[in-house]
Amino acid sequence: GENVEQHPSTLSVQEGDSAVIKCTYSDSASNYFPWYKQELGKRPQLIIDIRSNVGEKKDQRIAVTLNKTAKHFSLHITETQPEDSAVYFCAASSSNFGNEKLTFGTGTRLTIIP
Amino acid sequence: DVKVTQSSRYLVKRTGEKVFLECVQDMDHENMFWYRQDPGLGLRLIYFSYDVKMKEKGDIPEGYSVSREKKERFSLILESASTNQTSMYLCASSLGGPSYEQYFGPGTRLTVT
Repeated sequence: GENVEQHPSTLSVQEGDSAVIKCTYSDSASNYFPWYKQELGKRPQLIIDIRSNVGEKKDQRIAVTLNKTAKHFSLHITETQPEDSAVYFCAASSSNFGNEKLTFGTGTRLTIIP
Repeated sequence: DVKVTQSSRYLVKRTGEKVFLECVQDMDHENMFWYRQDPGLGLRLIYFSYDVKMKEKGDIPEGYSVSREKKERFSLILESASTNQTSMYLCASSLGGPSYEQYFGPGTRLTVT
């Protein structure tokens, strides 16, 4: 089955600086890569996703890049703000009908230092 | 707005008890999932269902079973609770087809003593 590794487990950055979280996956059939954000005491929510036919996707201050050859993808947050403090999870899926399950990484706790 | 609700936010049970965790979604989603969340281990899939009465094992199904008698409701059952099942349990649903976004419930923190 799929295995997703996520690094680092914790990350602290100064407000205004950039943050990068990296994930690798094992199953070359995976073609869907979402990122979820979980604020303290709240449920995870999707913030951005990318499919394997795209190398990069951007949404305001967040972007995701995908390298299919190397089987890794990354989340980039620019101009970080205090509300970016949360746990971030990457995930991978082969998104086949009837098997649309996600395999999650172990999470990165991001702390923005004011 | 998609709403996924879980029957309890906090639950305390004794070892050996049978435990039911219920999840309800109100958006006619095809797929439903049960995860457990533990510090340092992320979200691990226990079971999922892509149709009524259908179920598939996830990565850690041992000690758990599920039931989906109606499309909107997905139940997780701990047949005989053990202390190593103390965890946060999250339910999620997704529309399926072209949309794979999963919507999570608020979670149930289960303590088994």
